[in-house]
Amino acid sequence: AQSVTQPDIHITVSEGASLELRCNYSYGATPYLFWYVQSPGQGLQLLLKYFSGDTLVQGIKGFEAEFKRSQSSFNLRKPSVHWSDAAEYFCAVGDDYKLSFGAGTTVTVRA
Amino acid sequence: SAVISQKPSRDICQRGTSLTIQCQVDSQVTMMFWYRQQPGQSLTLIATANQGSEATYESGFVIDKFPISRPNLTFSTLTVSNMSPEDSSIYLCSVETGTSLNTGELFFGEGSRLTVL
Repeated sequence: AQSVTQPDIHITVSEGASLELRCNYSYGATPYLFWYVQSPGQGLQLLLKYFSGDTLVQGIKGFEAEFKRSQSSFNLRKPSVHWSDAAEYFCAVGDDYKLSFGAGTTVTVRA
Repeated sequence: SAVISQKPSRDICQRGTSLTIQCQVDSQVTMMFWYRQQPGQSLTLIATANQGSEATYESGFVIDKFPISRPNLTFSTLTVSNMSPEDSSIYLCSVETGTSLNTGELFFGEGSRLTVL
């Protein structure tokens, strides 16, 4: 069975600074990988996804993520954080039609 | 993509009662899913609801506690039965659109936040 680990429960970053959220997965084959964001009081929104091909994927809101098979990682990055990026971020791995989610990383943005 | 509407968005319920959550999608979808997000935790899949068949429940979830209906390709309901404070959670409806079949790419509703007193 697949599993996802997000080592950082909470990250605080200054506005304009870079952000990296870590995600490690356990899966027997090539996974489908996703990052979702959940803003306060909102549902989940898909930021980006990796299915195959180029290991650096671009998403919405200026986010990108890099798939590294050797490290079983799919870390999310943003070069310059905006106050509106304060939210909870979930990494997920897909197996057929099921998603397994990590525990989430809460991002706080300080002025 | 898909636009998903859930009702109610939030509710406060008494112990022992039941509540039905509705999920409406703006397009026909094959697979609909119900997730639970307990306070401070990640999402856990409750069940998969396909039109015309019984819902498939994940380990730890049973039909008597979480009956699901899927009368057509755009609508589903989840009932939380005989509620206890432990059922206080956000319940999320999600769908997989036909363009991403079997890849696990899901679209989510805004969730229904239930508080059980």
